[in-house]
Amino acid sequence: RKEVEQDPGPFNVPEGATVAFNCTYSNSASQSFFWYRQDCRKEPKLLMSVYSSGNEDGRFTAQLNRASQYISLLIRDSKLSDSATYLCVVNPMIKAAGNKLTFGGGTRVLVKP
Amino acid sequence: GAVVSQHPSWVICKSGTSVKIECRSLDFQATTMFWYRQFPKQSLMLMATSNEGSKATYEQGVEKDKFLINHASLTLSTLTVTSAHPEDSSFYICSVKGAASYEQYFGPGTRLTVT
Repeated sequence: RKEVEQDPGPFNVPEGATVAFNCTYSNSASQSFFWYRQDCRKEPKLLMSVYSSGNEDGRFTAQLNRASQYISLLIRDSKLSDSATYLCVVNPMIKAAGNKLTFGGGTRVLVKP
Repeated sequence: GAVVSQHPSWVICKSGTSVKIECRSLDFQATTMFWYRQFPKQSLMLMATSNEGSKATYEQGVEKDKFLINHASLTLSTLTVTSAHPEDSSFYICSVKGAASYEQYFGPGTRLTVT
Protein backbone atom coordinates (compact mmCIF):
# COMPACT_ATOMS: atom_id res chain seq x y z
CA ARG A 1 0.00 0.00 0.00
CA LYS A 2 1.29 3.44 -0.91
CA GLU A 3 1.93 5.87 1.93
CA VAL A 4 -0.29 8.50 0.34
CA GLU A 5 -2.92 7.58 -2.22
CA GLN A 6 -5.05 9.74 -4.44
CA ASP A 7 -7.55 9.14 -7.21
CA PRO A 8 -5.64 10.34 -10.27
CA GLY A 9 -8.82 11.54 -12.00
CA PRO A 10 -9.34 13.49 -14.12
CA PHE A 11 -12.35 15.04 -12.48
CA ASN A 12 -14.23 16.89 -15.20
CA VAL A 13 -16.09 19.73 -13.51
CA PRO A 14 -18.51 22.20 -15.06
CA GLU A 15 -17.61 25.79 -14.32
CA GLY A 16 -19.40 26.94 -11.19
CA ALA A 17 -19.89 23.45 -9.81
CA THR A 18 -18.47 21.95 -6.63
CA VAL A 19 -15.90 19.18 -6.67
CA ALA A 20 -14.43 17.21 -3.80
CA PHE A 21 -11.83 14.51 -3.60
CA ASN A 22 -9.97 12.60 -0.94
CA CYS A 23 -6.53 11.39 -0.14
CA THR A 24 -5.74 8.49 2.18
CA TYR A 25 -2.55 8.07 4.19
CA SER A 26 -1.16 4.95 5.78
CA ASN A 27 0.78 6.26 8.77
CA SER A 28 -1.61 6.93 11.63
CA ALA A 29 1.04 8.97 13.44
CA SER A 30 1.14 11.61 10.70
CA GLN A 31 0.59 15.10 12.04
CA SER A 32 1.03 17.55 9.19
CA PHE A 33 -1.03 17.57 6.05
CA PHE A 34 -1.05 19.88 3.08
CA TRP A 35 -2.69 20.40 -0.27
CA TYR A 36 -0.46 21.67 -3.02
CA ARG A 37 -1.50 22.68 -6.50
CA GLN A 38 0.65 21.94 -9.52
CA ASP A 39 0.02 23.33 -12.98
CA CYS A 40 1.37 21.57 -16.02
CA ARG A 41 5.17 21.86 -16.27
CA LYS A 42 5.29 24.11 -13.19
CA GLU A 43 6.38 23.69 -9.61
CA PRO A 44 3.92 22.75 -6.81
CA LYS A 45 2.50 25.68 -4.90
CA LEU A 46 1.15 25.43 -1.40
CA LEU A 47 -2.62 25.74 -1.49
CA MET A 48 -3.36 25.21 2.17
CA SER A 49 -2.30 23.37 5.27
CA VAL A 50 -4.90 21.05 6.75
CA TYR A 51 -5.71 21.42 10.42
CA SER A 52 -7.42 18.98 12.73
CA SER A 53 -10.58 21.04 12.92
CA GLY A 54 -10.73 21.54 9.18
CA ASN A 55 -10.16 24.86 7.54
CA GLU A 56 -11.49 27.04 4.80
CA ASP A 57 -9.78 29.50 2.51
CA GLY A 58 -12.18 31.23 0.20
CA ARG A 59 -13.69 28.64 -2.10
CA PHE A 60 -11.46 25.87 -0.78
CA THR A 61 -12.25 23.72 2.23
CA ALA A 62 -9.97 21.06 3.65
CA GLN A 63 -10.99 18.42 6.14
CA LEU A 64 -9.04 15.87 8.12
CA ASN A 65 -10.51 12.56 9.27
CA ARG A 66 -8.00 10.89 11.54
CA ALA A 67 -10.18 7.88 12.33
CA SER A 68 -10.35 6.90 8.68
CA GLN A 69 -6.97 8.40 7.81
CA TYR A 70 -7.97 10.64 4.98
CA ILE A 71 -8.01 14.28 4.10
CA SER A 72 -10.31 15.94 1.65
CA LEU A 73 -10.37 19.03 -0.49
CA LEU A 74 -13.56 20.68 -1.65
CA ILE A 75 -13.65 23.41 -4.26
CA ARG A 76 -16.82 25.47 -4.54
CA ASP A 77 -17.89 27.61 -7.49
CA SER A 78 -15.15 26.13 -9.67
CA LYS A 79 -13.29 28.51 -11.95
CA LEU A 80 -11.53 27.62 -15.17
CA SER A 81 -8.31 28.64 -13.43
CA ASP A 82 -8.82 25.88 -10.86
CA SER A 83 -7.82 23.33 -13.51
CA ALA A 84 -4.65 21.76 -12.16
CA THR A 85 -3.27 18.72 -10.40
CA TYR A 86 -3.87 18.76 -6.66
CA LEU A 87 -1.19 17.05 -4.62
CA CYS A 88 -1.91 15.60 -1.20
CA VAL A 89 1.17 15.91 0.99
CA VAL A 90 1.80 14.33 4.37
CA ASN A 91 4.58 14.64 6.89
CA PRO A 92 4.82 11.12 8.28
CA MET A 93 6.42 12.36 11.51
CA ILE A 94 8.73 9.36 11.67
CA LYS A 95 12.00 10.29 13.32
CA ALA A 96 14.02 8.53 10.67
CA ALA A 97 12.15 10.43 7.99
CA GLY A 98 13.32 13.77 9.33
CA ASN A 99 11.51 16.63 7.70
CA LYS A 100 10.58 14.76 4.55
CA LEU A 101 7.19 15.13 3.01
CA THR A 102 5.43 12.30 1.24
CA PHE A 103 3.54 13.22 -1.91
CA GLY A 104 0.50 11.56 -3.35
CA GLY A 105 0.34 11.00 -7.07
CA GLY A 106 -2.02 13.91 -7.54
CA THR A 107 -5.64 14.34 -8.57
CA ARG A 108 -6.19 16.06 -11.87
CA VAL A 109 -9.09 18.49 -12.05
CA LEU A 110 -10.36 19.92 -15.33
CA VAL A 111 -12.89 22.72 -15.10
CA LYS A 112 -14.81 23.21 -18.33
CA PRO A 113 -17.06 26.04 -19.50
CA GLY B 1 5.59 31.90 1.75
CA ALA B 2 9.22 31.91 0.74
CA VAL B 3 10.44 33.10 -2.65
CA VAL B 4 12.68 30.52 -4.24
CA SER B 5 14.55 30.79 -7.51
CA GLN B 6 16.30 28.19 -9.61
CA HIS B 7 18.84 28.64 -12.34
CA PRO B 8 18.82 27.70 -15.11
CA SER B 9 15.13 27.21 -15.80
CA TRP B 10 15.94 24.83 -18.60
CA VAL B 11 19.09 23.29 -20.00
CA ILE B 12 19.99 20.99 -22.86
CA CYS B 13 23.29 19.20 -22.64
CA LYS B 14 25.13 16.39 -24.35
CA SER B 15 25.49 12.98 -22.83
CA GLY B 16 28.55 12.74 -20.60
CA THR B 17 28.67 16.37 -19.57
CA SER B 18 27.90 17.76 -16.11
CA VAL B 19 25.19 20.27 -15.28
CA LYS B 20 24.93 22.46 -12.20
CA ILE B 21 21.56 23.69 -10.97
CA GLU B 22 21.31 26.45 -8.39
CA CYS B 23 18.53 26.90 -5.88
CA ARG B 24 18.30 30.19 -4.03
CA SER B 25 16.02 31.20 -1.20
CA LEU B 26 15.57 34.91 -1.77
CA ASP B 27 13.82 36.03 1.38
CA PHE B 28 13.99 33.08 3.74
CA GLN B 29 16.59 31.42 5.90
CA ALA B 30 16.38 27.88 4.60
CA THR B 31 17.80 25.56 7.23
CA THR B 32 16.82 22.63 5.06
CA MET B 33 16.63 22.32 1.31
CA PHE B 34 15.25 19.40 -0.65
CA TRP B 35 15.88 18.25 -4.19
CA TYR B 36 13.16 16.46 -6.11
CA ARG B 37 12.87 14.96 -9.54
CA GLN B 38 9.67 14.61 -11.50
CA PHE B 39 9.23 12.54 -14.63
CA PRO B 40 6.30 13.24 -16.97
CA LYS B 41 2.91 12.36 -15.51
CA GLN B 42 4.48 11.20 -12.26
CA SER B 43 4.59 12.75 -8.84
CA LEU B 44 7.60 14.33 -7.22
CA MET B 45 10.26 11.96 -6.00
CA LEU B 46 12.58 13.15 -3.28
CA MET B 47 16.22 12.75 -4.20
CA ALA B 48 18.00 14.19 -1.20
CA THR B 49 17.72 16.40 1.85
CA SER B 50 20.40 18.88 2.70
CA ASN B 51 20.95 20.89 5.82
CA GLU B 52 23.11 23.96 5.68
CA GLY B 53 26.72 23.15 6.40
CA SER B 54 26.38 19.39 6.44
CA LYS B 55 26.37 16.55 3.96
CA ALA B 56 23.20 15.76 2.11
CA THR B 57 21.12 12.71 2.95
CA TYR B 58 20.21 10.79 -0.19
CA GLU B 59 17.16 8.68 -0.75
CA GLN B 60 17.51 5.01 -1.54
CA GLY B 61 18.43 4.46 -5.14
CA VAL B 62 19.87 7.94 -5.68
CA GLU B 63 23.61 7.88 -6.38
CA LYS B 64 25.39 10.47 -4.29
CA ASP B 65 28.42 10.48 -6.57
CA LYS B 66 26.25 11.23 -9.56
CA PHE B 67 24.05 13.88 -7.99
CA LEU B 68 26.38 16.15 -6.02
CA ILE B 69 24.67 18.48 -3.58
CA ASN B 70 26.25 21.43 -1.87
CA HIS B 71 24.37 23.53 0.68
CA ALA B 72 26.95 26.14 1.55
CA SER B 73 24.66 28.78 3.04
CA LEU B 74 21.14 29.35 4.30
CA THR B 75 20.18 30.76 0.92
CA LEU B 76 21.95 28.62 -1.64
CA SER B 77 22.06 24.96 -2.56
CA THR B 78 23.42 23.45 -5.76
CA LEU B 79 22.76 20.14 -7.47
CA THR B 80 25.31 18.93 -9.99
CA VAL B 81 24.32 16.11 -12.31
CA THR B 82 27.62 14.54 -13.26
CA SER B 83 28.16 12.63 -16.49
CA ALA B 84 24.54 13.14 -17.47
CA HIS B 85 22.77 10.54 -19.58
CA PRO B 86 19.46 10.73 -21.46
CA GLU B 87 17.70 8.88 -18.63
CA ASP B 88 18.60 11.80 -16.35
CA SER B 89 16.34 14.04 -18.42
CA SER B 90 13.71 15.25 -15.99
CA PHE B 91 12.24 18.20 -14.14
CA TYR B 92 14.41 18.98 -11.11
CA ILE B 93 12.79 21.02 -8.37
CA CYS B 94 14.21 22.30 -5.12
CA SER B 95 12.28 23.30 -2.05
CA VAL B 96 13.13 25.15 1.13
CA LYS B 97 11.97 24.76 4.67
CA GLY B 98 12.58 26.89 7.70
CA ALA B 99 13.16 25.69 11.21
CA ALA B 100 9.74 26.65 12.50
CA SER B 101 7.32 24.75 10.26
CA TYR B 102 6.87 21.71 8.08
CA GLU B 103 5.71 23.62 5.02
CA GLN B 104 7.98 23.54 2.02
CA TYR B 105 8.19 26.15 -0.69
CA PHE B 106 9.27 25.14 -4.15
CA GLY B 107 11.47 26.73 -6.73
CA PRO B 108 10.21 27.03 -10.32
CA GLY B 109 12.12 23.96 -11.40
CA THR B 110 14.81 23.22 -13.96
CA ARG B 111 13.98 21.18 -17.01
CA LEU B 112 16.99 19.11 -18.02
CA THR B 113 17.22 17.43 -21.39
CA VAL B 114 20.22 15.25 -22.10
CA THR B 115 20.78 14.42 -25.75
